[in-house]
Amino acid sequence: NAGVTQTPKFRVLKTGQSMTLLCAQDMNHEYMYWYRQDPGMGLRLIHYSVGEGTTAKGEVPDGYNVSRLKKQNFLLGLESAAPSQTSVYFCASRGSGTDTQYFGPGTRLTVL
Amino acid sequence: AQSVTQPDIHITVSEGASLELRCNYSYGATPYLFWYVQSPGQGLQLLLKYFSGDTLVQGIKGFEAEFKRSQSSFNLRKPSVHWSDAAEYFCAVGEFGTSYGKLTFGQGTILTVHP
Repeated sequence: NAGVTQTPKFRVLKTGQSMTLLCAQDMNHEYMYWYRQDPGMGLRLIHYSVGEGTTAKGEVPDGYNVSRLKKQNFLLGLESAAPSQTSVYFCASRGSGTDTQYFGPGTRLTVL
Repeated sequence: AQSVTQPDIHITVSEGASLELRCNYSYGATPYLFWYVQSPGQGLQLLLKYFSGDTLVQGIKGFEAEFKRSQSSFNLRKPSVHWSDAAEYFCAVGEFGTSYGKLTFGQGTILTVHP
């Protein structure tokens, strides 16, 4: 099992450009999450999903959209990137009835 | 609202010395508590967790943590640090009464290990 994978690992964007980050998990988990990590702030939840076809806002959703068309995939989109979105993005998943989130390796995004 | 505080942003210890990383939480009910470790350039790996039972929990890599309800603390300890323990450590509190299992993270503590 690969666990949780994220694509790409690194990306540099110019202000106003768009992109999509892909998260995939092979553990048949119901719950999936997108976080951003900024120095001194820990991890903050952007959006989450409790199952295929469902998504909801977390703590810091502005400027991001998500989709979960397939159970194993959770996409994070930036429609018009801003320098404030420079961050490391982590995806996580959790099985129904369990309490542990499993994290992907992260995507480092720089917006110039 | 739940919150987590890790008072120490950066800790430096010598290899072989003991280690204690502090974590204080705020939560109304009995919390689910976690410690994660993040090595440079890597994702987060679960070290250990607590939600009931024995208040001293053992984790991977020789780490342990003690839940103290009276102090709202869940400090992480290791008796003898190895150079490979250099990483950033995150404490988190989980709320599983909600529909999605919210995790709130502390700010993180960076551990540097001197040879």
